[in-house]
Formats: sequence, structure tokens, C-alpha cells
Amino acid sequence: EAQVTQNPRYLITVTGKKLTVTCSQNMNHEYMSWYRQDPGLGLRQIYYSMNVEVTDKGDVPEGYKVSRKEKRNFPLILESPSPNQTSLYFCASSSDRLNEKLFFGSGTQLSVL
Amino acid sequence: GENVEQHPSTLSVQEGDSAVIKCTYSDSASNYFPWYKQELGKRPQLIIDIRSNVGEKKDQRIAVTLNKTAKHFSLHITETQPEDSAVYFCAASKAQSSASKIIFGSGTRLSIRP
Repeated sequence: EAQVTQNPRYLITVTGKKLTVTCSQNMNHEYMSWYRQDPGLGLRQIYYSMNVEVTDKGDVPEGYKVSRKEKRNFPLILESPSPNQTSLYFCASSSDRLNEKLFFGSGTQLSVL
Repeated sequence: GENVEQHPSTLSVQEGDSAVIKCTYSDSASNYFPWYKQELGKRPQLIIDIRSNVGEKKDQRIAVTLNKTAKHFSLHITETQPEDSAVYFCAASKAQSSASKIIFGSGTRLSIRP
């Protein structure tokens, strides 16, 4: 079954404690990206990757890091989380032209206390 | 900066009636306009998309129209059903060789009244 898998589904942490949200896709997609969803703000792109070792900033990259060492994996790293990073995060991938026809993961609800 | 505005933020229609959601974009170089549907507690899913070389696209009860001159595009849902209740997001992007950001609208919560 084609899917984008995010882990964990829910995460509660404290300010400053480094965390990683994993994202893996089994569709051999080249394009992967991360988004945060906040009420009234819709989805905002954090980072995207067009292929292995190729990443670039989206609209709201501050406070986040990513890496793309393998085609299937695209982890999101918060080196020093802060309460304003409390949000619902989605990973997505696409085999189509760049960011078209995105296939989203099931989401990670992050709370930073 | 690039921006996509979406209206209305909430919409309630009687079952069987039509619903229209509108978006405007700021970057005239945008050339791809998808619509995503997000049911409560679920992931966003693509329901229809349109490229800048097309003015209208239809898929059963849903259609999207694009006015490049006005930088405006709309989602039309006819004969609405209870399962159409969800949050809908429009988006705009431009495919470039070295960068490919996508900008989403803030979403429209559509409720279908029985």
C-alpha cells in the first residue's frame, strides 16, 4: 500500500529538548516536504527536498532543520523547540512535477510546554 | 511576499445546494493551482487541480475555474452531500528549476446542513 508514514503521531515535550519527527514514503517519490498547520493560517511550508541531498527553505523555516540522506526518508529536526512551534505537522511527497499532487502523511501533533 | 487569500473562512449550505470557495494569488508567475480537502482529524487530500494554461476543469460534482488576468481561481461543488463537509484549502505554486515553494490559503470550513 502506497503511504507516507510519520512518527510519532502525538508528541509532548518541553522547551529546548531536541526532537526529531520522522517521515518515510514507500512510493519512490523524489519530492518531499514538511508543513505546519495552525488555526486560521492554513498550511505553511517549512522545508522541501527535490531529491537526495537537495533541500531548500519554504515559507517558515526558522527553528527547523531537515536532511535527505536517503530518497525515502525526510526527517524534521527541532534543535531547541519553543512553545510557538506547537502545531500539527504534515509530511508530504510527490512523484509528479515538483510539488504537484502532494500525498500527505497522517500528521504529528506537537505540543511544546 | 507571495500570498494566497481564501474566502470565505466558513461556509454553510443546504444539502443539495451549490458551494463556491474563492482564492486570489499575488504572484503572476504561479502556474499550478490545486485544491485539497481535509476531513476532521484526517490528512489533506488532493481533490482537483488546474494549470495556468487551462481556464476550467471539472470532475463529477466539483469544478475549478481560473482567471489569470484577475489572478483568481474558484472551487465549485454542486449537489452538495453530507460527505462534502470538510476544510478546503486552495494553493498556488510555480515550478522552477531550482525552487518550488507552494503557498496555501488559510482554508474554508464547509458545513452541509441536512
